[in-house]
Amino acid sequence: AQTVTQSQPEMSVQEAETVTLSCTYDTSESDYYLFWYKQPPSRQMILVIRQEAYKQQNATENRFSVNFQKAAKSFSLKISDSQLGDAAMYFCAYRSRPARQLTFGSGTQLTVLP
Amino acid sequence: GAGVSQSPSNKVTEKGKDVELRCDPISGHTALYWYRQRLGQGLEFLIYFQGNSAPDKSGLPSDRFSAERTGESVSTLTIQRTQQEDSAVYLCASSGNRGQETQYFGPGTRLLVL
Repeated sequence: AQTVTQSQPEMSVQEAETVTLSCTYDTSESDYYLFWYKQPPSRQMILVIRQEAYKQQNATENRFSVNFQKAAKSFSLKISDSQLGDAAMYFCAYRSRPARQLTFGSGTQLTVLP
Repeated sequence: GAGVSQSPSNKVTEKGKDVELRCDPISGHTALYWYRQRLGQGLEFLIYFQGNSAPDKSGLPSDRFSAERTGESVSTLTIQRTQQEDSAVYLCASSGNRGQETQYFGPGTRLLVL
């Protein structure tokens, strides 16, 4: 079975600084997707960024980028120029191509300090 | 509507009562998912619907849980004889087909069983 591990229950970053959230996963599949979702106190899960495993290039969305290391099964999220609105719980998620459901990590609570 | 909607937003019930939770997916999305999020934890997959195919019920924790979906529209998650351990946020997500793999989430229903 696939598992997703987020080893940092809590992280904090100073406003305008850069922070990296870690995620590792375990799978025997070769074709899959990886996601980072953000969940603010409103509970709404918001997609931050996604990565297809067959793509070697790391995905980037504005201030958010990933470091995808397929051999190491690592998928970290880097947030640059952190803003107060980035404060939320961040979840790493995995989905193999044949399956449809997502497998989530336990989350990292990010605090942004003014 | 523009996004996935869920109702009610919050539900308080007494142990042993039945509850129904509703999800309206994004118009045109063929796939619909239910997840459960216990306090301080990641999301657990419950059930998945794809068009008119038989649903994937592999994540349902017990036979007290069931869900229905008519075509590609509204879905209802029913929990019979609720227990205190059913207290959680229940999140619904929908996605398109033909490679549109990203799941878009609703705001969830917070269920409290007293």
